[in-house]
This record gives sequence, C-alpha cells and structure tokens, in this order.
Amino acid sequence: GENVEQHPSTLSVQEGDSAVIKCTYSDSASNYFPWYKQELGKRPQLIIDIRSNVGEKKDQRIAVTLNKTAKHFSLHITETQPEDSAVYFCAARPFTGGGNKLTFGTGTQLKVEL
Amino acid sequence: EPEVTQTPSHQVTQMGQEVILRCVPISNHLYFYWYRQILGQKVEFLVSFYNNEISEKSEIFDDQFSVERPDGSNFTLKIRSTKLEDSAMYFCASHYRGGIQTQYFGPGTRLLVL
Repeated sequence: GENVEQHPSTLSVQEGDSAVIKCTYSDSASNYFPWYKQELGKRPQLIIDIRSNVGEKKDQRIAVTLNKTAKHFSLHITETQPEDSAVYFCAARPFTGGGNKLTFGTGTQLKVEL
Repeated sequence: EPEVTQTPSHQVTQMGQEVILRCVPISNHLYFYWYRQILGQKVEFLVSFYNNEISEKSEIFDDQFSVERPDGSNFTLKIRSTKLEDSAMYFCASHYRGGIQTQYFGPGTRLLVL
C-alpha cells in the first residue's frame, strides 16, 4: 500500500522566516495530496491541497509544490507567525478504485519563535 | 459553517468492555470515515463507509471493530472488547461526493483503555 514519509519531525523558525516541510510517497498512482494543520488537542484542519495534474498551488502565505516524477511534495509557509505553530501532516490519496482513503505522514511539529 | 461533531469527547473504559463512539457527519455528506491517532503518532485510516456498507478497511479494523449508520444522521464505531492498545484519539471524517474530495474531520474522541 501507500507509504508517506515526512521530514523534518520538528522545525523551529523565527517569526517572519519561511518554513518548508517535505513529504515523499510511494504509490505513483496517488493523485491527491492534502496538508492538514493540527493544533494541540484539536481536529486536523485542511490548509491546502493539490491534485496530481498541478505542479504548484498557492494560497496567501501557504504554497504546495508537487513533483510527480520524484514522488515528493512540499509545504511552504512564508512570513511565519506564532499562530502557525502546530503539527502539520501531509497525506496522499492512493488510487483505490474510487475510494478516498488518506494515508498520512508522521507529522512535523512547527514552532514559530518570537 | 457546518462541522462534523463527535461524542463523547473523552471516554475511559476497562479492558474487555465494549465502547461505541458516535459521529454526526455534515448533513449532506455521503462518505464517512474513521481514523485513529495514537498519542504522538500519525493519523491512521481505519474504515470508509458509503451507501450503508464498508467500502474499504485497514488491517487495524479487525473483527473487534464494526461501523453502523443507525439512522440518517449518526455514524458509529463500535469496539466490542477493548484492548489497552486501542487507546487513541478517534476521528470521524466525511465528504459529500465521490472522487477527490476534501475530508472534514470531527474534533475526535479520546479513548483511554485501562
């Protein structure tokens, strides 16, 4: 089945700096890659997603890039703010004949320091 | 904005006891999921459900687990005989249509098996 690797496991940046989180996936048929933000004790919240027919997508300070050949995708957060501190999970949707099961990465604890 | 809701928020049970976790998906959603997250680990897929039947299940979802949509609004996960290793946060998720769709997560139920 699909396997998603995520790096780094922890990331500490100064407020205003950029943060980059990287994920790789194993199933070349995966076609949808969402990123979720999870604050402590709360539900995962979708922050951005990308489909396999697109190489890059941007939403204000957040962007995601996808390299299908290398089977990796990355989350970029610019001008980080303290409220960006959370755990970020990448995920991939393996092609299972129409199912929407998500396989998650292991998460990145992002800490934005003042 | 409509949200997925889950009850209870926390549940403590003795090993061997049955538990039922409840979810109310967003009202017009048709596809339902259960995921679990062991403390400090990644979110793991358990089962997907559509049209009153299981679409897909993971190897975690063994005979001790069952799901049901008893009425038009609730979606339940039952664990027949809980084990210590069932201690985790259980998330329900849903989406409206088939294909590539954003999954909306509930706030989770923290299950502790003693």
